[in-house]
Amino acid sequence: DAGVIQSPRHEVTEMGQEVTLRCKPISGHDYLFWYRQTMMRGLELLIYFNNNVPIDDSGMPEDRFSAKMPNASFSTLKIQPSEPRDSAVYFCASQRSSGRYEQYFGPGTRLTVT
Amino acid sequence: GENVEQHPSTLSVQEGDSAVIKCTYSDSASNYFPWYKQELGKRPQLIIDIRSNVGEKKDQRIAVTLNKTAKHFSLHITETQPEDSAVYFCAASPGNTPLVFGKGTRLSVIA
Repeated sequence: DAGVIQSPRHEVTEMGQEVTLRCKPISGHDYLFWYRQTMMRGLELLIYFNNNVPIDDSGMPEDRFSAKMPNASFSTLKIQPSEPRDSAVYFCASQRSSGRYEQYFGPGTRLTVT
Repeated sequence: GENVEQHPSTLSVQEGDSAVIKCTYSDSASNYFPWYKQELGKRPQLIIDIRSNVGEKKDQRIAVTLNKTAKHFSLHITETQPEDSAVYFCAASPGNTPLVFGKGTRLSVIA
C-alpha cells in the first residue's frame, strides 16, 4: 500500500492566487481528514469526510477555504484567494471505520504565500 | 467536546535515560488513545496506541499506560536514543470521531 498521497509537496504562491491541494487516501479507508499545522496553532482539524460526505467543516477558517471529495480516492482543499497567513503545512489523513481507529497521515504540503 | 492537555511541552533527557510524557482528557466516552511521533519536516506517524479495555501496552522501548478513572494516559520511552528526538503528540477519541490532539512535546535526547 502506498499510504496517503498528497500533492504538491511544496507550493509557493503569491497573495491573491488560488491554491489547490490534493489528497489520495489509503484504499479502503472511508474517513478523510484535512489538517493544518503551524508553530503558533499546532495541529488543527479543518474538515473531515466520511464516505465522501463532509461531516464537520467547523474548523475551516473562513469562506476562502473549501474542500471536496468527489470520490473515495480523491479529495481537494482549495484556498481562494490565498493570504500570507495561510502559510502552513497541510496534512491529509485517512482512517478505516470498521472497528479500527488508526489514522494515517500523508507527507503534507508545505504552502508558502508571499 | 473532548479536550486533551499534554505535558511537558519540552523535555530534554540524556541518552540512555527514560522519558515520560503525560496527557489528560476530558470526555469519559473516549476509548482510543494513540501517540504520534513527528520528526522535523516529516508527517506525524503513529507509534503506539491503547484502547480503554487495556491498562498498559508495550512495544520494545516504548510503553503506554492508561488510567481511565483519572482520565490520563502516558507515554514512556526507555533507554532513549538520539533518534528518539522528535515532537510527540497524544490524542483521544470516542471511536469513529476525529482525534483530538494534544499540543505536542518536543523531546530532545542529548548524546
